[in-house]
Amino acid sequence: TQLLEQSPQFLSIQEGENLTVYCNSSSVFSSLQWYRQEPGEGPVLLVTVVTGGEVKKLKRLTFQFGDARKDSSLHITAAQPGDTGLYLCAAQHSGTYKYIFGTGTRLKVLA
Amino acid sequence: DAGVIQSPRHEVTEMGQEVTLRCKPISGHDYLFWYRQTMMRGLELLIYFNNNVPIDDSGMPEDRFSAKMPNASFSTLKIQPSEPRDSAVYFCASSLGAGTGWYEQYFGPGTRLTVT
Repeated sequence: TQLLEQSPQFLSIQEGENLTVYCNSSSVFSSLQWYRQEPGEGPVLLVTVVTGGEVKKLKRLTFQFGDARKDSSLHITAAQPGDTGLYLCAAQHSGTYKYIFGTGTRLKVLA
Repeated sequence: DAGVIQSPRHEVTEMGQEVTLRCKPISGHDYLFWYRQTMMRGLELLIYFNNNVPIDDSGMPEDRFSAKMPNASFSTLKIQPSEPRDSAVYFCASSLGAGTGWYEQYFGPGTRLTVT
């Protein structure tokens, strides 16, 4: 059973556009992470959020954890071709050590 | 540090054959994870170890899969006998346990397995 749904599944945009990717669940999480994966490589951690309502920024990327800690969003401003990749959210339930990964959003930014 | 090392990078085998995937975690990390990634099912956790001891193997699909960690610097994932539906990319990841609850996993480059 997939506990984390990401939307959209696929996104193709022009360089310079803005976009938002969503990660949703009906469960409450103790922490949530976003990873980016490029072809032929393993996922690389971008950010971890742990507090409801928390907002973190990483250059042109803005990450938000929902107030109820059930959902998260990733916003990219002025997308660049280098942002192309598979974006994965991963969530950790309270009392467990492991992370469950979302379904993924495949982003392509055209020059 | 060289990061997490996996071998082989690509494996093509025939149905029924035994397959062994290898992983060397980052030195000093005390957790090791095995994942499988497919288009249909995404990235799934198979098993993870803490200090070389298996903690949770609930993601291992069936008895054909087994994993070992004989020491802190080496782990194997074995499939015997292999089946075409085992075709996937298998990732190994390691992390340093943290008292804060969350932790960063460092992934290897993966092994692409094709079973014909």
